[in-house]
Amino acid sequence: DIQMTQSPASLSASLGETVTIECRASEDIYNGLAWYQQKPGKSPQLLIYNANSLHTGVPSRFSGSGSGTQYSLKINSLQSEDVASYFCQQYYNYPLTFGSGTKLEIK
Amino acid sequence: EVQLVESGGGLVQPGRSLKLSCAASGFTYSNYVMAWVRQAPTKGLEWVASISTGGGNTYYRDSVKGRFTISRDNAKNTLYLQIDSLRSEDTATYYCAKGQLRRASFDYWGQGVMVTVSS
Repeated sequence: DIQMTQSPASLSASLGETVTIECRASEDIYNGLAWYQQKPGKSPQLLIYNANSLHTGVPSRFSGSGSGTQYSLKINSLQSEDVASYFCQQYYNYPLTFGSGTKLEIK
Repeated sequence: EVQLVESGGGLVQPGRSLKLSCAASGFTYSNYVMAWVRQAPTKGLEWVASISTGGGNTYYRDSVKGRFTISRDNAKNTLYLQIDSLRSEDTATYYCAKGQLRRASFDYWGQGVMVTVSS
């Protein structure tokens, strides 16, 4: 199984700041990576697929990058509505696996 | 508008069975891989099972193989998850999720249904 190691587990940042969340795969996943946002009490929502493609309707302050085993999600100009947990997911191979999540709070 | 509406959850005793349903609308259901993803209370997301467009191919995580069965009815636009021999570690919110075209990322999720396994 492909293990996804996500960091940090939690993050506190000020409004307007830029934050970065990392995910490392245990083997090459060839850009088969998605990022999701889950607000408290809500279902997950797709942000990024194919490592760097923005899903329809997602604000452009979200971006994804990476290749091979290392991937990252960047949020520019942090807004109050970005308070959420963020998860990466590899879909290069079954079983599909998620990172353990990053909880983002506003300072 | 894509909608996924789960039902069938509840409080169940260990060892018993349950069948979850997910009614889909707003897209051509038969064209997309579908999946179940669960989330134990205060925990992360865990993929459970996926099913191909025609239902002929199914995939499961190891911990549910032999106990869970994913199926679909393309005439009714409905996804199912039969859960047998329930264990306490199956306690979670179960989400129905729609796969993107040609990739196993999920662009739409249901609101989730809670399954609690307890005596």
